[in-house]
Amino acid sequence: ETGVTQTPRHLVMGMTNKKSLKCEQHLGHNAMYWYKQSAKKPLELMFVYNFKEQTENNSVPSRFSPECPNSSHLFLHLHTLQPEDSALYLCASSQDRERDIEQFFGPGTRLTVL
Amino acid sequence: AQSVAQPEDQVNVAEGNPLTVKCTYSVSGNPYLFWYVQYPNRGLQFLLKYITGDNLVKGSYGFEAEFNKSQTSFHLKKPSALVSDSALYFCAVRPASGGSYIPTFGRGTSLIVHP
Repeated sequence: ETGVTQTPRHLVMGMTNKKSLKCEQHLGHNAMYWYKQSAKKPLELMFVYNFKEQTENNSVPSRFSPECPNSSHLFLHLHTLQPEDSALYLCASSQDRERDIEQFFGPGTRLTVL
Repeated sequence: AQSVAQPEDQVNVAEGNPLTVKCTYSVSGNPYLFWYVQYPNRGLQFLLKYITGDNLVKGSYGFEAEFNKSQTSFHLKKPSALVSDSALYFCAVRPASGGSYIPTFGRGTSLIVHP
């Protein structure tokens, strides 16, 4: 295990539902990330938080809303999603944003939007 | 802008044979390079990184990678493949300074090791 947990592991939702993804890291890291992983595509960075402050929003649609209440927890709130949003959503953390630091990833939430 | 190319979607190798997973990159200035592995139903796991120093980097599970600045490559290698090495492998790059600190990942290469 990498020290990064994600819940739920699988989620099926309709386009009108509201749901949230949760990420928790037990590593004492200060930076947390949300990525979207779709088949045959590079990993897409969505959001970055550093010391609880959002530092990157990679042109993500407003139907995705992140929240970082403290350095250990990261949420992704979902509402009125589209079928093309179906993907594996990965959370990651790192000690900080330094460039030579590797990231630690959670197992992901497999999201299916009907 | 930085980019990573993993030219092979899939690599097939027999157990016991050496394996190579290719990665080339483009970045302004010096690069920091990373390899990650993803097993089914798991997130990415860090394997190794090149920051500076010796061009041959050794990592987890017997993997190593060679940094070649003139060819802008960072190929992942293992002398003797195991069936359990079958997974998806991702190369990533960050500029050592300047530009975006956000890593750029390749599309991934599926490694299949046959018994």
